[in-house]
Amino acid sequence: SQKIEQNSEALNIQEGKTATLTCNYTNYSPAYLQWYRQDPGRGPVFLLLIRENEKEKRKERLKVTFDTTLKQSLFHITASQPADSATYLCALGSGNQGGKLIFGQGTELSVKP
Amino acid sequence: EPEVTQTPSHQVTQMGQEVILRCVPISNHLYFYWYRQILGQKVEFLVSFYNNEISEKSEIFDDQFSVERPDGSNFTLKIRSTKLEDSAMYFCASSEDSLEGYGYTFGSGTRLTVV
Repeated sequence: SQKIEQNSEALNIQEGKTATLTCNYTNYSPAYLQWYRQDPGRGPVFLLLIRENEKEKRKERLKVTFDTTLKQSLFHITASQPADSATYLCALGSGNQGGKLIFGQGTELSVKP
Repeated sequence: EPEVTQTPSHQVTQMGQEVILRCVPISNHLYFYWYRQILGQKVEFLVSFYNNEISEKSEIFDDQFSVERPDGSNFTLKIRSTKLEDSAMYFCASSEDSLEGYGYTFGSGTRLTVV
């Protein structure tokens, strides 16, 4: 069955450092992969999307890579700030008409001042 | 920035009762979704809706559940005969497209508690 694994442990880093989050998947060939931010008690907020034929995407301090051979995506936040503290979710989509996303369990990031 | 609006934010219901969760998607979006998140667990897909019909549904979305777009703006999820295990956050989402992989806009959710 399809399986998505994110960093199992919470990630604690110092302000100003780069946070790197991992998303691995098996038994799936996604057309695209999305990253979301979720704060406690709130809905996911879309951050970035990367398609299967793309290697890297950037948006301000965010960068995502996608390696379909390794079946892995890396999500980087550079110059991290305490306001970046949240849970980050990766989600895979097949690109079919239904638009179903399969979410990972999320990685909790804590940025200390 | 356009938002997906969900009401109510909290709903407490007795087991066996019916609940209707309401959503107003972003006006120019064509695809609508319901997801749920049981406390401490993953966000799970329930159903997608396009062109006034269900596009895809998960195994969770059985006969207990139904969706409707009663007018041009609202999108509802009805849960009949609620069970304790239906307690979760229910998120509505919308997107411009599903094939091209646009990001989805999620609402803030309805916390459903079945007692």
